[in-house]
Amino acid sequence: ETGVTQTPRHLVMGMTNKKSLKCEQHLGHNAMYWYKQSAKKPLELMFVYNFKEQTENNSVPSRFSPECPNSSHLFLHLHTLQPEDSALYLCASSQGLGSGQGEQYFGPGTRLTVT
Amino acid sequence: DQQVKQNSPSLSVQEGRISILNCDYTNSMFDYFLWYKKYPAEGPTFLISISSIKDKNEDGRFTVFLNKSAKHLSLHIVPSQPGDSAVYFCAARVEGAQKLVFGQGTRLTINP
Repeated sequence: ETGVTQTPRHLVMGMTNKKSLKCEQHLGHNAMYWYKQSAKKPLELMFVYNFKEQTENNSVPSRFSPECPNSSHLFLHLHTLQPEDSALYLCASSQGLGSGQGEQYFGPGTRLTVT
Repeated sequence: DQQVKQNSPSLSVQEGRISILNCDYTNSMFDYFLWYKKYPAEGPTFLISISSIKDKNEDGRFTVFLNKSAKHLSLHIVPSQPGDSAVYFCAARVEGAQKLVFGQGTRLTINP
């Protein structure tokens, strides 16, 4: 595997379900991100992790719970979601804070539908 | 309040011609600007970036221009090829942070 991988690629869940999105990066990066892309809206940053520590939470509702057990893996735990949470969820990674020109490398995304 | 704006949702260009994608920003605290390309069912792919202290960066067929006084940047693709058909996102990095702020994207279609 190379780059950034995400599973599952598609997920349909009811509002009372609990599910998790998984992201893995094979680039040796130290920072990982979750983004949300809704239809006709820009990518919205949700969370940032540096060296496994959360450094940014962009006012995300608590029904989204991130977990970063190490610098290569990132999870997004979902529970009691709303239909308006249906979107494409993208994971990205980059070098740590202060490194590089800011370029982040994205996974293919998980298309989430909440019914 | 959207800090990075791409005002053209779509652009159609003939193969071989120049494609010019535009982006405006309002925040002077951005230190790098980046362009990403996105195909359907894939994540955005990093294309090219420019530091806020430069006004031009070139990489093969892609050139990014930055006009700080106008708070405007543009991506030039020449010559345009059918494989360039995709959605292009402009992004800006907040100085001292890892946060990227994205524009809404412009769908570029290259016609044969």
